[in-house]
Amino acid sequence: QKEVEQDPGPLSVPEGAIVSLNCTYSNSAFQYFMWYRQYSRKGPELLMYTYSSGNKEDGRFTAQVDKSSKYISLFIRDSQPSDSATYLCAMSARGGGSEKLVFGKGTKLTVNP
Amino acid sequence: DAGVTQSPTHLIKTRGQQVTLRCSPKSGHDTVSWYQQALGQGPQFIFQYYEEEERQRGNFPDRFSGHQFPNYSSELNVNALLLGDSALYLCASSDGRPSYEQYFGPGTRLTVT
Repeated sequence: QKEVEQDPGPLSVPEGAIVSLNCTYSNSAFQYFMWYRQYSRKGPELLMYTYSSGNKEDGRFTAQVDKSSKYISLFIRDSQPSDSATYLCAMSARGGGSEKLVFGKGTKLTVNP
Repeated sequence: DAGVTQSPTHLIKTRGQQVTLRCSPKSGHDTVSWYQQALGQGPQFIFQYYEEEERQRGNFPDRFSGHQFPNYSSELNVNALLLGDSALYLCASSDGRPSYEQYFGPGTRLTVT
């Protein structure tokens, strides 16, 4: 079993839709959870960074962490064509500053005008 | 404020050759991590450097080695290249404190023929 599982999609939605992206994990030591956005042939860009369980909102993006279920989600409201990218979840036990990040495979999202 | 920079952008090498990739961290960051991202996969951790020492290493053979310089920039060296080493190599930098985020550069795309 992989430490982090993420459905690779692809996921295609109309502009304005609410998008839900998810990851599950098996390592109960993970405490820090991140979502990165990666455009084609570019490096990952940090979108959201959360610690432990709960919700965090930033504009159209909401990150949720449920440690009891080992399940994290990213919601995108009012999706735009510019949101079309691959979304990667990542996590670590002690925080990315001093430790490796473990990534999911990424979910490829297309938002159609 | 310049973000993480990497060079070269892309390169093509032949099996058996050696390659050196370079990374300059974001201003104020002292920790550099390297990741390998194969096509359609999430990034895989290679190693992390802090205070010019390898602090953590992923599951990569000894053909992969690195170095960090006093100005915090870093090199990734790969010897005896294999076709399977073809990938996007990503550098990420962070403040070395545990709870801090990792920020990625644009990557170097390596093709081994």
